[in-house]
Amino acid sequence: DVKVTQSSRYLVKRTGEKVFLECVQDMDHENMFWYRQDPGLGLRLIYFSYDVKMKEKGDIPEGYSVSREKKERFSLILESASTNQTSMYLCASNHAAGPNTGELFFGEGSRLTVL
Amino acid sequence: AQSVTQPDIHITVSEGASLELRCNYSYGATPYLFWYVQSPGQGLQLLLKYFSGDTLVQGIKGFEAEFKRSQSSFNLRKPSVHWSDAAEYFCAVSDQSGNQFYFGTGTSLTVIP
Repeated sequence: DVKVTQSSRYLVKRTGEKVFLECVQDMDHENMFWYRQDPGLGLRLIYFSYDVKMKEKGDIPEGYSVSREKKERFSLILESASTNQTSMYLCASNHAAGPNTGELFFGEGSRLTVL
Repeated sequence: AQSVTQPDIHITVSEGASLELRCNYSYGATPYLFWYVQSPGQGLQLLLKYFSGDTLVQGIKGFEAEFKRSQSSFNLRKPSVHWSDAAEYFCAVSDQSGNQFYFGTGTSLTVIP
């Protein structure tokens, strides 16, 4: 069964802490995404990666960075967490080409609370 | 600018009743269209997708959607709702590269007995 796995389902951190959210996919997808989900705002793209070590800013990259050292792994980093980063974070991946291009596969989400 | 509008924030239906969730999009090129469902505390699961061809597409769990280019709409339907369909539903549009997605803000569905 194809899968996108987010390492932490629930995290509680303090303001100023460094936070790592890890995402691993087993579908050999070229593209990986990090979204933030807040009530009434839908999904907002933080960062997108189309290849190892390649990244592009999404709609709300401020306060976040990403790392993609291996094709299957895409990490989201909050260098200094703030309370306004309390949210649900969703990782997704898809193929860049071929008949199934487009369909996003999502992880179960990581709910982050910053105190 | 590309955008997706789901005009209904919340819908309540009785179990066994029919359902239609609305989705309108604004997109310059030929879009790929998707409906996703999210159960509480979970990630998003694909219900169905439209890339080309027949404008009426069938998905999982008995859902279907119809692409109407003239109305820029991609409404989701189900003839008879089950209590397990209670969830959040998201409409999305993407370009054909699979790199850029635009999501609606979601419609929350409540099913009453």
